[in-house]
Amino acid sequence: EDQVTQSPEALRLQEGESSSLNCSYTVSGLRGLFWYRQDPGKGPEFLFTLYSAGEEKEKERLKATLTKKESFLHITAPKPEDSATYLCAVQDPGTGFQKLVFGTGTRLLVSP
Amino acid sequence: EPEVTQTPSHQVTQMGQEVILRCVPISNHLYFYWYRQILGQKVEFLVSFYNNEISEKSEIFDDQFSVERPDGSNFTLKIRSTKLEDSAMYFCASSDGTNNEQFFGPGTRLTVL
Repeated sequence: EDQVTQSPEALRLQEGESSSLNCSYTVSGLRGLFWYRQDPGKGPEFLFTLYSAGEEKEKERLKATLTKKESFLHITAPKPEDSATYLCAVQDPGTGFQKLVFGTGTRLLVSP
Repeated sequence: EPEVTQTPSHQVTQMGQEVILRCVPISNHLYFYWYRQILGQKVEFLVSFYNNEISEKSEIFDDQFSVERPDGSNFTLKIRSTKLEDSAMYFCASSDGTNNEQFFGPGTRLTVL
């Protein structure tokens, strides 16, 4: 059973058109939820860590929020340079605190 | 800003050959990881390494795989006898262990022919 599910798979926005990406998770005893950005052919770039429901983190046009079952990555007034795949990952408490379990990602394309 | 580096960026090998992928983690980090990403698929955990030993490994990490920290700066992944299905991007990551924020390198693209 998938522990991390991201939606939508792909999202196309116009520059300035705000939207949200969703990450739902099924692990119990969450020890951390992580958002990464991945450009084509590159490694994941760390964005945020969230630990408890109600927590929020912001960085430029991005804001991540966490509930007991899901996390949202809100993108406000996106620019073309925000185009990338956004990955969500959780720590897997069942097998050890270090392993990250990733979702399949949301491919974001922002058109000028 | 400190970063994880990996070499080579692209490795092409013949099936059955041995390959060694190299990583230099961030200097003050103590936890090291390898992940892989087959084209179009999820990033998958392979192995974690701490205090000169494997702390966790996945089902993918079978006897064909090994990791080593040969000196104070390098961290390597060896695949003894490559298979076609080993073709993927391999990412090294490191963490200081305080909050498990893992920082990834740029990856090595392994192509097995």
